[in-house]
Amino acid sequence: GAVVSQHPSWVICKSGTSVKIECRSLDFQATTMFWYRQFPKQSLMLMATSNEGSKATYEQGVEKDKFLINHASLTLSTLTVTSAHPEDSSFYICSARDLASGSETQYFGPGTRLLVL
Amino acid sequence: EDKVVQSPLSLVVHEGDTVTLNCSYEVTNFRSLLWYKQEKKAPTFLFMLTSSGIEKKSGRLSSILDKKELFSILNITATQTGDSAVYLCAVDFGNEKLTFGTGTRLTIIP
Repeated sequence: GAVVSQHPSWVICKSGTSVKIECRSLDFQATTMFWYRQFPKQSLMLMATSNEGSKATYEQGVEKDKFLINHASLTLSTLTVTSAHPEDSSFYICSARDLASGSETQYFGPGTRLLVL
Repeated sequence: EDKVVQSPLSLVVHEGDTVTLNCSYEVTNFRSLLWYKQEKKAPTFLFMLTSSGIEKKSGRLSSILDKKELFSILNITATQTGDSAVYLCAVDFGNEKLTFGTGTRLTIIP
């Protein structure tokens, strides 16, 4: 299957700092990537849909000025958590679809654990 | 509102047992249903189902979809300790976004 990577895998930061998370499709091009957040013992919640070359689409209740998404190329999307606070501590996961394969399956990156002190 | 519900929330069985995990959904539109296995990191893909009544199988795992009754089941036979994980069901409601259920936490006791 298609491979999606994320970097970093772990982030610990002080409250008020900004954190950038990268999501890359390694062996395919992805015009659309998805960003999810997962709190402990809860399911994945979609935050936003990242579209290459255009603005991201945010889900209801997700602040676009706080979670900045940039999808500058067909293989890279970034999520920046601006002015992070302890309540932003979570597991952030991206996914992408390999459209060229004709498959609608979303493949997930390994996730990034963010801890804000 | 589109909704995905999984049951049971958690399940503890002995190695060698067979388990059935359930996923039901309420939908205005439907494109596909996907099953994922999540251990400590991100979910890994198991199956994607789009048609009713066609069983998908991979080793000891199998899954089937009933689009009339709006549910799917995931079966695992001859369970092993490595099957311990959270199993997530997700539905694409035709807008390419996935809505996830709460997951079933499966624990296999040796």
